[in-house]
Amino acid sequence: DQQVKQNSPSLSVQEGRISILNCDYTNSMFDYFLWYKKYPAEGPTFLISISSIKDKNEDGRFTVFLNKSAKHLSLHIVPSQPGDSAVYFCAASQGYSGNTPLVFGKGTRLSVIA
Amino acid sequence: GAVVSQHPSWVICKSGTSVKIECRSLDFQATTMFWYRQFPKKSLMLMATSNEGSKATYEQGVEKDKFLINHASLTLSTLTVTSAHPEDSSFYICSARDRGQGNIGYTFGSGTRLTVV
Repeated sequence: DQQVKQNSPSLSVQEGRISILNCDYTNSMFDYFLWYKKYPAEGPTFLISISSIKDKNEDGRFTVFLNKSAKHLSLHIVPSQPGDSAVYFCAASQGYSGNTPLVFGKGTRLSVIA
Repeated sequence: GAVVSQHPSWVICKSGTSVKIECRSLDFQATTMFWYRQFPKKSLMLMATSNEGSKATYEQGVEKDKFLINHASLTLSTLTVTSAHPEDSSFYICSARDRGQGNIGYTFGSGTRLTVV
């Protein structure tokens, strides 16, 4: 049973436009959510996170929105740049102890077209 | 920031041989490290949780005797794929958390591409 779902395997966006990546989760015990960016043959790199006590977190061009009632979060990238082309993973964790692993979605491949 | 060094970045081995992958936290101590595996076009799947000084906790379906995990110190965890077979070919990634960075401190290694021929 997949607890974190990214239903769009790929997304293409024109440079300068907004990219919106979506993520749904089923485990109501998750209380921290993270987005990672991954290039081929490399480990994921942290992008932005949000705790369940917030509904929005912004960092430069990246904004993450959390809708707890819908168990849905989204990552907005604006304006999109060609260098943003990568696979984006949504991840969730339960607790802040650091002893609990992250649960990942399957990823969404973002292609930003110049 | 926290850095996790994973080595080797890629390895090709013959069927039946064993391969060891190292994961080091370079500037922080990690009592817990996580090992993930990623198949092409699939998600990162947790294989096991490595605990310093004690036995690893394996996820359901992961063979303990095949994927040996040793976390001998606060900065090093190793994953040994024993008697490797072609179906073990995959991308293996480790992760550790720097507690000083709060929950954002899940840092990943650069991954190891294992190809078994």
